[in-house]
Amino acid sequence: DGGITQSPKYLFRKEGQNVTLSCEQNLNHDAMYWYRQDPGQGLRLIYYSQIVNDFQKGDIAEGYSVSREKKESFPLTVTSAQKNPTAFYLCASSPKSGRALETQYFGPGTRLLVL
Amino acid sequence: EDQVTQSPEALRLQEGESSSLNCSYTVSGLRGLFWYRQDPGKGPEFLFTLYSAGEEKEKERLKATLTKKESFLHITAPKPEDSATYLCALSYSGNTPLVFGKGTRLSVIA
Repeated sequence: DGGITQSPKYLFRKEGQNVTLSCEQNLNHDAMYWYRQDPGQGLRLIYYSQIVNDFQKGDIAEGYSVSREKKESFPLTVTSAQKNPTAFYLCASSPKSGRALETQYFGPGTRLLVL
Repeated sequence: EDQVTQSPEALRLQEGESSSLNCSYTVSGLRGLFWYRQDPGKGPEFLFTLYSAGEEKEKERLKATLTKKESFLHITAPKPEDSATYLCALSYSGNTPLVFGKGTRLSVIA
């Protein structure tokens, strides 16, 4: 089955702790994205990557970091600098081919909670 | 000013009561408009892409239309299983990622 997987489904963070959210896709998509979703806020873009070893900041990148060492994987680290990390995190990918028109497909999400 | 505005924020329908959701946008050079369905606690599910004014697409009880400044998602004779949040997103000039609206939360009551 082709698709996007995110793990874990729920993640708990202690004060001052960095945590990493996993996102893997086997769709052979070039581009991958991380969004944060808060109630009533819609989806806000954190980081995106159009090719391996390259990524760009989105609208709310502060307190987050990413890497793109493999085409299939785009992990997101929520650092201790992110003071309000409680949210639903969504990973997406698209078969980007140089145009901004490609449809994004989403994973099931990870809910991050602060202890 | 928001680039993408969805209305209403929430809509409650009786089963079988048809209605429309609106997605209006202010950007120029629209390259594509996307509709997604999101169930609580899950990732958005792709429904439609519209590329040019006048285009229409249908899937079961849903029909999406596009004009130069807005898109409508028409729901005909909805059922309780159509209850979800419906998101629209758009792609416009340049190599920018999608811009999402805040969604319309639809409840269909039996």
